[in-house]
Amino acid sequence: AQKITQTQPGMFVQEKEAVTLDCTYDTSDQSYGLFWYKQPSSGEMIFLIYQGSYDEQNATEGRYSLNFQKARKSANLVISASQLGDSAMYFCAMRRRTTGNQFYFGTGTSLTVIP
Amino acid sequence: DTEVTQTPKHLVMGMTNKKSLKCEQHMGHRAMYWYKQKAKKPPELMFVYSYEKLSINESVPSRFSPECPNSSLLNLHLHALQPEDSALYLCASSPRDSDYGYTFGSGTRLTVV
Repeated sequence: AQKITQTQPGMFVQEKEAVTLDCTYDTSDQSYGLFWYKQPSSGEMIFLIYQGSYDEQNATEGRYSLNFQKARKSANLVISASQLGDSAMYFCAMRRRTTGNQFYFGTGTSLTVIP
Repeated sequence: DTEVTQTPKHLVMGMTNKKSLKCEQHMGHRAMYWYKQKAKKPPELMFVYSYEKLSINESVPSRFSPECPNSSLLNLHLHALQPEDSALYLCASSPRDSDYGYTFGSGTRLTVV
């Protein structure tokens, strides 16, 4: 069975500081994709960043970067220069390529940016 | 058009009502999904449609009935719901074979009274 673990139910960060949101996963698959989504209080799930299991370099998208450590099965999200608008729920997810492309979501981390 | 549009945004219904949720995308995606999300919890997969055919039903009660009339449209028909079915219902779509993530709609907030 696939399992995504986010051990930080809630996090606080000062505006303009960097923050790391943890994600570990458990799979026996060799090929998979890892994703981070942001969900503001409005409800929409916003795609942030993607890392393929065979990608050798860590993914980056603007202020978001993914610290991918395959041997440790971790895919932590780093947000640099936090902004007030970053306050939201953040979900780590894994997509298996061998099944119906469905996602497995972690339990989420609620991030609050303090002015 | 890079959006998934869900209507209505909010819905309040009685336990004897029949209502439908609608989801539409024009990105040419051939896989579409319904998720249910309770507050402070991750989304839970309900149904997967691939090329307009139901491919996955995650043991969802029959009071939820999905329908995919064409490649752009996905409906979720609701009948005789219970108060515990109150949740955010998210629709998503993706290219059938892709390394990239889903595109989610903004959801329908359903309250069953």
